[in-house]
Amino acid sequence: AQKVTQAQTEISVVEKEDVTLDCVYETRDTTYYLFWYKQPPSGELVFLIRRNSFDEQNEISGRYSWNFQKSTSSFNFTITASQVVDSAVYFCAPRGGADGLTFGKGTHLIIQP
Amino acid sequence: DVKVTQSSRYLVKRTGEKVFLECVQDMDHENMFWYRQDPGLGLRLIYFSYDVKMKEKGDIPEGYSVSREKKERFSLILESASTNQTSMYLCASTKGDSYEQYFGPGTRLTVT
Repeated sequence: AQKVTQAQTEISVVEKEDVTLDCVYETRDTTYYLFWYKQPPSGELVFLIRRNSFDEQNEISGRYSWNFQKSTSSFNFTITASQVVDSAVYFCAPRGGADGLTFGKGTHLIIQP
Repeated sequence: DVKVTQSSRYLVKRTGEKVFLECVQDMDHENMFWYRQDPGLGLRLIYFSYDVKMKEKGDIPEGYSVSREKKERFSLILESASTNQTSMYLCASTKGDSYEQYFGPGTRLTVT
């Protein structure tokens, strides 16, 4: 079973600032996957990234980047030059076996214009 | 594009009613899931299914059952709805364990 902690319940920044969302997970699985999802005000969950536990390379996709550190069981998400459209609830979710995702409680990100 | 649809966006039911929430996916995915989302609690897994007629309990199955008679359809059943089942219900599907899940738009159920 997995456990995930997103310690930041809510973050508020001004547009164009960089912001990092923290995710710390616990798992007994040797092989697992880590996911990030975005839930905008419309409510539909949008997949952002999947990371295999064997692959510790950081990933960048446009303004988004992810820092995976297996040694500290963290998978943090950074938005560079934030925009108002980034306002959403973001969920980190590990998955070890064949069952469903284990979601954190989410971080509510507010980007103020 | 993967599409996961849910039968209703909003539903209001009375305590004690039997409630059916339907989910359909159009990408021939093997695995389907039902979650509920409550403020401050995130998403919690209710039930999931790996194949037709197969089901597995998630973290909070009490008060719920499921049905998967066809590969594309996964139904969540509240046998006797109670007010503590007022929540947002999200259905998801995936083609395999290591792949991302695709979510439907959700059904906001209110039990009065």
